[in-house]
Amino acid sequence: NAGVTQTPKFQVLKTGQSMTLQCAQDMNHNSMYWYRQDPGMGLRLIYYSASEGTTDKGEVPNGYNVSRLNKREFSLRLESAAPSQTSVYFCASSEAGGGSNQPQHFGDGTRLSIL
Amino acid sequence: AQKITQTQPGMFVQEKEAVTLDCTYDTSDPSYGLFWYKQPSSGEMIFLIYQGSYDQQNATEGRYSLNFQKARKSANLVISASQLGDSAMYFCAMRGDNQGGKLIFGQGTELSVKP
Repeated sequence: NAGVTQTPKFQVLKTGQSMTLQCAQDMNHNSMYWYRQDPGMGLRLIYYSASEGTTDKGEVPNGYNVSRLNKREFSLRLESAAPSQTSVYFCASSEAGGGSNQPQHFGDGTRLSIL
Repeated sequence: AQKITQTQPGMFVQEKEAVTLDCTYDTSDPSYGLFWYKQPSSGEMIFLIYQGSYDQQNATEGRYSLNFQKARKSANLVISASQLGDSAMYFCAMRGDNQGGKLIFGQGTELSVKP
């Protein structure tokens, strides 16, 4: 039971480098999400995709871009990494958007350090 | 605006005793859902329990129950018969039915179960 798979699990970057975090789900979910988790701040939404072909900004979108490649995959790109983007990144998916009792299912996270 | 508040940064409980983790929320959506997630030290996010705003009864899932008081805008998690494996971070989250499926998280409560 793979669920939501994130790659890589760990990454260290230098300031200014770019990278893409990959996320794939095998539950045929319509909606996918990217969050970041910083110490003492809970999870904050970066971007989300309510359905294939759509993306929208969340609470903290600056410095990030996303691509909903197909129904299964939702990637997060840092074009020019900054130390403030050091965080743990979680991808999640859910069956439907608002009005549903279905929870979001989370990947195991990517620990990203920007030096 | 939507907001989740968890006022207990850390809690201790004796093994086999019950513990209540507090969560209050604010939303302008007439219909919404409340979720609790557990995050052990290994980092993954584990869904525990869901409460819909129009559910007549408080949700229960095994040793987890949700004390939902709509007028007070509170959704406290009760864990009965605490086990050592319950030691983890616990996050309360809310999804407004008009918010495209996005979850808003509280800052979390770290629960430590003492033997």
